[in-house]
Amino acid sequence: DAGVIQSPRHEVTEMGQEVTLRCKPISGHNSLFWYRQTMMRGLELLIYFNNNVPIDDSGMPEDRFSAKMPNASFSTLKIQPSEPRDSAVYFCASIKAGGSTDTQYFGPGTRLTVL
Amino acid sequence: ELKVEQNPLFLSMQEGKNYTIYCNYSTTSDRLYWYRQDPGKSLESLFVLLSNGAVKQEGRLMASLDTKARLSTLHITAAVHDLSATYFCAVEAGGFKTIFGAGTRLFVKA
Repeated sequence: DAGVIQSPRHEVTEMGQEVTLRCKPISGHNSLFWYRQTMMRGLELLIYFNNNVPIDDSGMPEDRFSAKMPNASFSTLKIQPSEPRDSAVYFCASIKAGGSTDTQYFGPGTRLTVL
Repeated sequence: ELKVEQNPLFLSMQEGKNYTIYCNYSTTSDRLYWYRQDPGKSLESLFVLLSNGAVKQEGRLMASLDTKARLSTLHITAAVHDLSATYFCAVEAGGFKTIFGAGTRLFVKA
């Protein structure tokens, strides 16, 4: 299996621009998570989906952030408009819920820099 | 709200020594994870602990869980340089929502 795939791996943009991060979970996994990692705040859960339905978006920082999962094999995290404080590494993770040894598998991350 | 605290946050140790990383959490949970992250890399799952008294071992790492004390430990035996990384514990808050600790940055000196 290819693992969780994220694109792009690096993104540099200017303040005010729209940014779209993409994630392909592991085939057969039914839950997907978006995290943000910064030195100051550590690893924060932004939103997670179960069977393509958003379950908890309480970690989404503000209305500038939105996430979608139109099907089981694709999710996007969009920031519009972007701000310098959004600079971070964004991870996508997936899990096949229901087993006793469930664990989240993380993608390689997208390093976002907003100038 | 579930809070997860790790200590120490930074650990520098000599090769061959033993040490323990602690993870405390504030409310009852059914599941606890340990992850490893190398600099500039993603997170890699190490252990999943599901029940009180659970103990798992992989190589020089051993993780345990005491749900009554809301405490998990990650014990390192005879550390080697390759174990240098950041170690995170994460606790499930319900429905697979997972709260991560701040991480313990481990540096093993040769």
